[in-house]
Amino acid sequence: GIQVEQSPPDLILQEGANSTLRCNFSDSVNNLQWFHQNPWGQLINLFYIPSGTKQNGRLSATTVATERYSLLYISSSQTTDSGVYFCAVGPTGNEKLTFGTGTRLTIIP
Amino acid sequence: EPEVTQTPSHQVTQMGQEVILRCVPISNHLYFYWYRQILGQKVEFLVSFYNNEISEKSEIFDDQFSVERPDGSNFTLKIRSTKLEDSAMYFCASRRVGTSSYEQYFGPGTRLTVT
Repeated sequence: GIQVEQSPPDLILQEGANSTLRCNFSDSVNNLQWFHQNPWGQLINLFYIPSGTKQNGRLSATTVATERYSLLYISSSQTTDSGVYFCAVGPTGNEKLTFGTGTRLTIIP
Repeated sequence: EPEVTQTPSHQVTQMGQEVILRCVPISNHLYFYWYRQILGQKVEFLVSFYNNEISEKSEIFDDQFSVERPDGSNFTLKIRSTKLEDSAMYFCASRRVGTSSYEQYFGPGTRLTVT
């Protein structure tokens, strides 16, 4: 099946810093989603981005499908940004999402 | 904005008992999914369901698991005889059909604790 790798596994930053999270995948996809898992365990959908670039406030994401990677940018980090960020991909012709192992982001005041 | 809802939010059960986890997908969605996340691990696909039948299932989804759409709004996951290793967060998701988007919308999850 498709392989999904996220990096870095852990990231500790000072409040106000910018961060870049990376997701590499091993096959063509028709679905790529970024999630933030909050302290209660809920998966908050950040972006649906199988290709191209999107922005939502301080967050933006870019997927280069031909090179099989996606990047999530967080600018001016706040403590509420802390948590685990998951990338999930759906291979072309397949319904299921395969999740990466996540990046744990800790923002220090 | 329409949301996927799940009940209960937390369920505690004894080993060997049957549990039913409930989900209400977004009303015009026709593809449904269950995923699970064991504490500290990544989210794993269990099963997808379309047109009143299972379209795909993972190795995890053995004979102890079943899914059903008993009416026009609910989608359920049943575990017949729970084991300690079934303790996990279970997420339901749904998506529209007939558009170019494959985006899946996730519910808030049900935390299942088997004692």
